[in-house]
Amino acid sequence: NAGVTQTPKFQVLKTGQSMTLQCAQDMNHEYMSWYRQDPGMGLRLIHYSVGAGITDQGEVPNGYNVSRSTTEDFPLRLLSAAPSQTSVYFCASSRGTSGRETQYFGPGTRLLVL
Amino acid sequence: KQEVTQIPAALSVPEGENLVLNCSFTDSAIYNLQWFRQDPGKGLTSLLLIQSSQREQTSGRLNASLDKSSGRSTLYIAASQPGDSATYLCAVQRAWGGTASKLTFGTGTRLQVTL
Repeated sequence: NAGVTQTPKFQVLKTGQSMTLQCAQDMNHEYMSWYRQDPGMGLRLIHYSVGAGITDQGEVPNGYNVSRSTTEDFPLRLLSAAPSQTSVYFCASSRGTSGRETQYFGPGTRLLVL
Repeated sequence: KQEVTQIPAALSVPEGENLVLNCSFTDSAIYNLQWFRQDPGKGLTSLLLIQSSQREQTSGRLNASLDKSSGRSTLYIAASQPGDSATYLCAVQRAWGGTASKLTFGTGTRLQVTL
């Protein structure tokens, strides 16, 4: 198993540009989520999905869209990039949300918005 | 709102020393608590998961304890090695399902184990 994969590893954008951060997992996990990590603030949940076709907002969803057309993939779209979106983005997955499952994280995407 | 605090923010110890990392949380109504390790420029690796009904979990040289009533968890690392150098994060899950299943993270303790 490759686990959770993310592409690209690093990206530079100009303000106003759009892009999609890719996330895929090969463990047949139902629950997937996106976090951003900023210095001094810990990781914060952007969006999450409990299964194909089902997504919902986390605590910092503004400026981001997600979709879940398959169990494996959970892309994160930046609609119009802003410098405040400069961050490291992590995708995570787990088998469920019962409280007994470990969450698996991808290696992250470092995004710089100029 | 759940807040998770980790003290100290950074720690440097000589190789071989036993050490304790601390995590505190403000809302004791949690489903589980997880400890993660993060190496520089890398993702998070889950170390231990303690369910709310458990008091501790062990994996190799790592032992994590949970005291829900006091809102505290500790990660004990025995006989530390230079390879243990990393940032250690604790995270709590409030409940099952939906937004409640999100993890609330602390900001981590950066550990350096010196030769």
